[in-house]
Amino acid sequence: DAGVIQSPRHEVTEMGQEVTLRCKPISGHDYLFWYRQTMMRGLELLIYFNNNVPIDDSGMPEDRFSAKMPNASFSTLKIQPSEPRDSAVYFCASRGLADTGELFFGEGSRLTVL
Amino acid sequence: GENVEQHPSTLSVQEGDSAVIKCTYSDSASNYFPWYKQELGKRPQLIIDIRSNVGEKKDQRIAVTLNKTAKHFSLHITETQPEDSAVYFCAEGGGFKTIFGAGTRLFVKA
Repeated sequence: DAGVIQSPRHEVTEMGQEVTLRCKPISGHDYLFWYRQTMMRGLELLIYFNNNVPIDDSGMPEDRFSAKMPNASFSTLKIQPSEPRDSAVYFCASRGLADTGELFFGEGSRLTVL
Repeated sequence: GENVEQHPSTLSVQEGDSAVIKCTYSDSASNYFPWYKQELGKRPQLIIDIRSNVGEKKDQRIAVTLNKTAKHFSLHITETQPEDSAVYFCAEGGGFKTIFGAGTRLFVKA
């Protein structure tokens, strides 16, 4: 397996624009997580899915953020409208139910909002 | 809710010395405590983990200890090398989600 795949790797956009980040989890993994990493706040859990169903979205900062998982191999995190304070690295991670608990992270999407 | 405190935020050691990073957690139901290493510009990767039914686990130069009564767990790196320089995150995974500490930036000076 190629691991967790995220796109784009880098995104630079202007304030007010819509941003869509994409993730393909490891095949067979039941859980998918979206984290945001900043210097100030570290690794924050935004939302996670189990079998494509959102389980806990309490970490989503506000209504401008939304996440979907239409099938087992694809998830999106959308920010609309984007703001400069959304600038961060967004990581997607997956794990399997029967696994040890290890999270497998993608390479991250670095977002810069001007 | 879940909360993980991690100390120190920055740690600088001489090559060959030991490094210790400490974490505390709040959720008594937590039973899984992983440690991740993140090199500059890279993704976090698991380096070692421990479950609540053991007090210590070792893997070559790294070891973790867990004190469930005090809700403390620690990472110990012996004989540090320059390639150990990275950010280390402790975490707790009581349920299906993993909550991370703020991270410790480790510098190993050659």
